[in-house]
Amino acid sequence: TQLLEQSPQFLSIQEGENLTVYCNSSSVFSSLQWYRQEPGEGPVLLVTVVTGGEVKKLKRLTFQFGDARKDSSLHITAAQPGDTGLYLCAGGPRSGTYKYIFGTGTRLKVLA
Amino acid sequence: GAVVSQHPSRVICKSGTSVKIECRSLDFQATTMFWYRQFPKQSLMLMATSNEGSKATYEQGVEKDKFLINHASLTLSTLTVTSAHPEDSSFYICSARYKTAFTEAFFGQGTRLTVV
Repeated sequence: TQLLEQSPQFLSIQEGENLTVYCNSSSVFSSLQWYRQEPGEGPVLLVTVVTGGEVKKLKRLTFQFGDARKDSSLHITAAQPGDTGLYLCAGGPRSGTYKYIFGTGTRLKVLA
Repeated sequence: GAVVSQHPSRVICKSGTSVKIECRSLDFQATTMFWYRQFPKQSLMLMATSNEGSKATYEQGVEKDKFLINHASLTLSTLTVTSAHPEDSSFYICSARYKTAFTEAFFGQGTRLTVV
């Protein structure tokens, strides 16, 4: 059972546009991570957010952790073709374990 | 970031044979490693959690006799797909966490298994 729902599932935009990806859950997580994955490769960690309400910026990417630590968003400004990929959020760790649960994923395609 | 190496990156095997996939943490000790399965255009599904020196903990619905996991050292975990069938064809990915930190996981590059 997926506990983390991401929206949208698919997104195709033109270069230069802005976009926001959402990661929502009914569960509280002690931390949340965002990854980007390219075809045939493993996910690469972009950021970890730990504190409710936390905002982190990574160049054109802005990540926010919800106040209640149940949701998160990823905002990309002026998207570029190099941003194309599968974006995954992961919440955890689960109580008493080190397990992280992955979201359903958002597939982004940025057209030149 | 830390390096996790997965081998092989691609493997094709005949139906009924077994395949072993290795996951190594190259520059850190990983008390815990995780094995995921990913179907095309889908997210990662956790299969099992592998702890060094103890039995793996499998997620609900994952056959432990089919997906054998061994975590013999702090730097190596293996996943063996036994008696593979075409429906086992998938992308398998491992991740490892630092021994003393639980907030970050580093992923291997994945193994594309094709059973013919």
